[in-house]
Amino acid sequence: EDQVTQSPEALRLQEGESSSLNCSYTVSGLRGLFWYRQDPGKGPEFLFTLYSAGEEKEKERLKATLTKKESFLHITAPKPEDSATYLCAVQGSSNTGKLIFGQGTTLQVKP
Amino acid sequence: NAGVTQTPKFRVLKTGQSMTLLCAQDMNHEYMYWYRQDPGMGLRLIHYSVGEGTTAKGEVPDGYNVSRLKKQNFLLGLESAAPSQTSVYFCASMTGPDTEAFFGQGTRLTVV
Repeated sequence: EDQVTQSPEALRLQEGESSSLNCSYTVSGLRGLFWYRQDPGKGPEFLFTLYSAGEEKEKERLKATLTKKESFLHITAPKPEDSATYLCAVQGSSNTGKLIFGQGTTLQVKP
Repeated sequence: NAGVTQTPKFRVLKTGQSMTLLCAQDMNHEYMYWYRQDPGMGLRLIHYSVGEGTTAKGEVPDGYNVSRLKKQNFLLGLESAAPSQTSVYFCASMTGPDTEAFFGQGTRLTVV
């Protein structure tokens, strides 16, 4: 059974304090691993797609990495505006585009 | 360019009432999805469609029906609402597998 687990559930950081969010997954035939950001009361917003182990992508203070079992979202020198819930999702081997989501990590960055 | 638009944004239903949630996308996407989001559960797939006139069940389809009569619209119906269907519902669309999904702003449904 395809499964995604994110940790920690919640993370509080001081502005400038770097950290990482973890996404562990079990999937039959990974087509892609996706990171989304979700602000309160809004829909998820796409951040990154990773397709194969060893791949890395960066966007401003965020960097996503992928291994065969997990993905990390590294946040360097975060700012209060980075506060949000970060969602990880995987697509398995079917060509339906279905996403299996983790529970999310809620990040709070204090000034 | 509106992207993915959900109607309504909020709704309160009484147990046993019916309603339809509308999702409209203007990106000419083939694939469309309905998810529900509950605290501590993440997003779970209800139904999906890989093209006009096609629909399929997702992870939690019981109590819901869908229709995709037009490529740009995906409707989610609740025939007899139950308190367990209290949730936030998100519609998403994508060009195809391996591509990013675009989400609507959500519909917050409360069943009393």
